[in-house]
Amino acid sequence: RKEVEQDPGPFNVPEGATVAFNCTYSNSASQSFFWYRQDCRKEPKLLMSVYSSGNEDGRFTAQLNRASQYISLLIRDSKLSDSATYLCVVKNTGNQFYFGTGTSLTVIP
Amino acid sequence: NAGVTQTPKFRILKIGQSMTLQCTQDMNHNYMYWYRQDPGMGLKLIYYSVGAGITDKGEVPNGYNVSRSTTEDFPLRLELAAPSQTSVYFCASSYSTGIGGDYGYTFGSGTRLTVV
Repeated sequence: RKEVEQDPGPFNVPEGATVAFNCTYSNSASQSFFWYRQDCRKEPKLLMSVYSSGNEDGRFTAQLNRASQYISLLIRDSKLSDSATYLCVVKNTGNQFYFGTGTSLTVIP
Repeated sequence: NAGVTQTPKFRILKIGQSMTLQCTQDMNHNYMYWYRQDPGMGLKLIYYSVGAGITDKGEVPNGYNVSRSTTEDFPLRLELAAPSQTSVYFCASSYSTGIGGDYGYTFGSGTRLTVV
């Protein structure tokens, strides 16, 4: 079983829409959780960390459900500039980070 | 700060050739990592280092070697290039307390390697 699994999409949504991505992880002892954004042919960049209590950064909300071992990312009021691949990242107790394959988002005018 | 700098950005190798991918960071991060990313696949950890003089294998270490003689540099060596090593390689660094605190996880801009 993969450490981290994501729906690859693609998600094609109109501007202004709300879109949500989910990600599941297999190791119940995983310690830290992140969402990264990767633009085409570019390096991944940290979008936000995910905390147990949930956290929000502007139009982005991340949540963690340890009991069900999944994390989610909600994007409200989608902008064209949100088009990218979103990577779910999980850090286990061995200090290794595991990346999902990414979910592709295209925001359509 | 330049962050994480990788060179070269692109390279074409012939089967059996060797090369070193360079990675340097100027953020005084203790942890450094090498990943490869194949089309439609997630990033796979090749090797990582928790400090100068210490390296550990990741998920896909076969065919690669690393060294960490200084905090700043973490070169990745391919000894006998094979077509299966065609990929995009990313170096990353972070400051980690080792007990769940991870800060500033930063990637380099990548090296696109083709082995023919």
